[in-house]
Amino acid sequence: AQTVTQSQPEMSVQEAETVTLSCTYDTSESDYYLFWYKQPPSRQMILVIRQEAYKQQNATENRFSVNFQKAAKSFSLKISDSQLGDAAMYFCAYGGATNKLIFGTGTLLAVQP
Amino acid sequence: DAGVIQSPRHEVTEMGQEVTLRCKPISGHNSLFWYRQTMMRGLELLIYFNNNVPIDDSGMPEDRFSAKMPNASFSTLKIQPSEPRDSAVYFCASQSMIAGFKTQYFGPGTRLLVL
Repeated sequence: AQTVTQSQPEMSVQEAETVTLSCTYDTSESDYYLFWYKQPPSRQMILVIRQEAYKQQNATENRFSVNFQKAAKSFSLKISDSQLGDAAMYFCAYGGATNKLIFGTGTLLAVQP
Repeated sequence: DAGVIQSPRHEVTEMGQEVTLRCKPISGHNSLFWYRQTMMRGLELLIYFNNNVPIDDSGMPEDRFSAKMPNASFSTLKIQPSEPRDSAVYFCASQSMIAGFKTQYFGPGTRLLVL
């Protein structure tokens, strides 16, 4: 069975600085997707970025980018130029052949002004 | 695109009452998922549908929970009778089955409080 591990329950970053959130996963599948979702205090689950496993190029969405290391089964999220609005819970998720998403336990990010 | 729509956004009810949560997926999406989020258990998948057909309901906690998808644009999650331990945020998400677009988009959630 697939698993997703987020080893950082909480992180903190200064405004305008860069922070990296870690995620590792375990799978025997060769074709899958990886996602980062953001959950602010409103509880809305917002898609931040996604990565297809077959693509070697790391995904980027404005200030958000990933470091996808397929062999190491690592999928970290880098947030550049952190803003106060980035403060939220961040979930890493795996999507494979079953269409079911496997979520990590989340990392709570605080942004200090 | 309006995104995934859920109603009600908040629900407060008393133990023993029936609760019905509603979801309208994104137009054109043919997979729909119901999740529950609590502090203790995190995000749990309750059930999901492909083309209106329930595929996996192994996450449904017990017979008090039921879900239907009568057509491509509407789904309900019903709890009868409700119990205080059902208090949680319930999310609906939809996804396109088109290869290369397998991404789930979540609704705003329904906050349920059972007294």
